[in-house]
Amino acid sequence: QLVVTQSPSASASLGASVKLTCTLSSGHSNFAIAWHQQQPGKGPRFLMDLNNDGSHTKGDGIPDRFSGSSSGAERYLTISSLQSEDEADYYCQSWGTGYHVVFGGGTKLTVL
Amino acid sequence: EAQLLESGGGMVQPGESLRLSCAASGFTFSDYGMSWARQAPGMGLEWVSSIDMSGTYTYYSDSVRGRFTISKDSSKNRLYLQMDSLRVDDTAVFYCAKSKSGGWDAIDRWGQGTLVTVSS
Repeated sequence: QLVVTQSPSASASLGASVKLTCTLSSGHSNFAIAWHQQQPGKGPRFLMDLNNDGSHTKGDGIPDRFSGSSSGAERYLTISSLQSEDEADYYCQSWGTGYHVVFGGGTKLTVL
Repeated sequence: EAQLLESGGGMVQPGESLRLSCAASGFTFSDYGMSWARQAPGMGLEWVSSIDMSGTYTYYSDSVRGRFTISKDSSKNRLYLQMDSLRVDDTAVFYCAKSKSGGWDAIDRWGQGTLVTVSS
């Protein structure tokens, strides 16, 4: 069964960098994922999709401060030069034949 | 630019029905798979249902299978979610979402959401 796991919370200081992690369940380490951002009171926004080799394609208008990388079953979202508007919930999404669409529980990012 | 606009949300009593609609624009609707996801108050995103580009294949989460029906009308560029036998725990903001391809893939566009409240 495909399960996507995220830490519930993360925090970092204004102007610093933060690395969020999404972990794929055993047997699914080669699956691609997508990262989505949900700012308070808003709908989700697609940030990027991310393959197991670390290659990624960002959505329209997503700043260069957002980047993705991979290692084994882990998929990362790195946000550099943190801004106040980056304070949001970040969701990892994966998919596959028989699994359709699977979301992680989300990580609440606090910008200090 | 691809845009999705949901409508049809509202307040209903347990056991009643509601039909959500999603108007798509800015892309060739018939070339892409589509999904519905929802978010209960204070909770994370939950996948509800998906449909492939042709409308032939449909899939549902265990929590809604047998009660909800997803469909798409490519002549109208609209995605639908027929929700029957609604329960209190179906209360959520429902989002329409576009897949990057004709089948199961990354979601690359979201609607703004429509609120469904089920309460007696």
